Amino acid sequence: DAGVIQSPRHEVTEMGQEVTLRCKPISGHNSLFWYRQTMMRGLELLIYFNNNVPIDDSGMPEDRFSAKMPNASFSTLKIQPSEPRDSAVYFCASRRQGSNYGYTFGSGTRLTVV
Amino acid sequence: EDQVTQSPEALRLQEGESSSLNCSYTVSGLRGLFWYRQDPGKGPEFLFTLYSAGEEKEKERLKATLTKKESFLHITAPKPEDSATYLCAVQEVKGGSQGNLIFGKGTKLSVKP
Repeated sequence: DAGVIQSPRHEVTEMGQEVTLRCKPISGHNSLFWYRQTMMRGLELLIYFNNNVPIDDSGMPEDRFSAKMPNASFSTLKIQPSEPRDSAVYFCASRRQGSNYGYTFGSGTRLTVV
Repeated sequence: EDQVTQSPEALRLQEGESSSLNCSYTVSGLRGLFWYRQDPGKGPEFLFTLYSAGEEKEKERLKATLTKKESFLHITAPKPEDSATYLCAVQEVKGGSQGNLIFGKGTKLSVKP
């Protein structure tokens, strides 16, 4: 089991550019979550999917953020246009619904917007 | 108002010096309380789930306990490799179904040899 796979690990981009973060959940997990982690705010939920359907996107900060899950093995988080305040570590996590073991997190993408 | 508050923010211990981390929460219906460990540059790693007051779980030098208002993570005779940030998260019951995990900001533990 390769775990939750995120790419890229690091992304440095200029303000105004489009950024796309990618996630491959664990096979068989039917819930997928996108979190953002900063020193000030800790881990914040952005959006989550059940069976590829977005359930709650109330954590998405602005219309500049969008997320898709076209199939059970792939999800993207897009920021367009990016701003310096978007700099953070973005984590993807997955879970089998009903599991007692919480979420399994990926290693994260460290985004720096300059 | 934060729903999950962890204390202290940082804790420095000598190897072998036992201590406890605290996680207090305010949610209307608790589905479960989760403890995670996070090492620098990595994602959080699952440790324990607790579901009801009085429940305890153990793993090596770690023991997690739960009351109606808070949870403790006890670390007995810690070693330098226990150094990490420990995160607490609660899962609410929402509309009869599982809610999301709401995380505290974590306690950064440093264990010196």
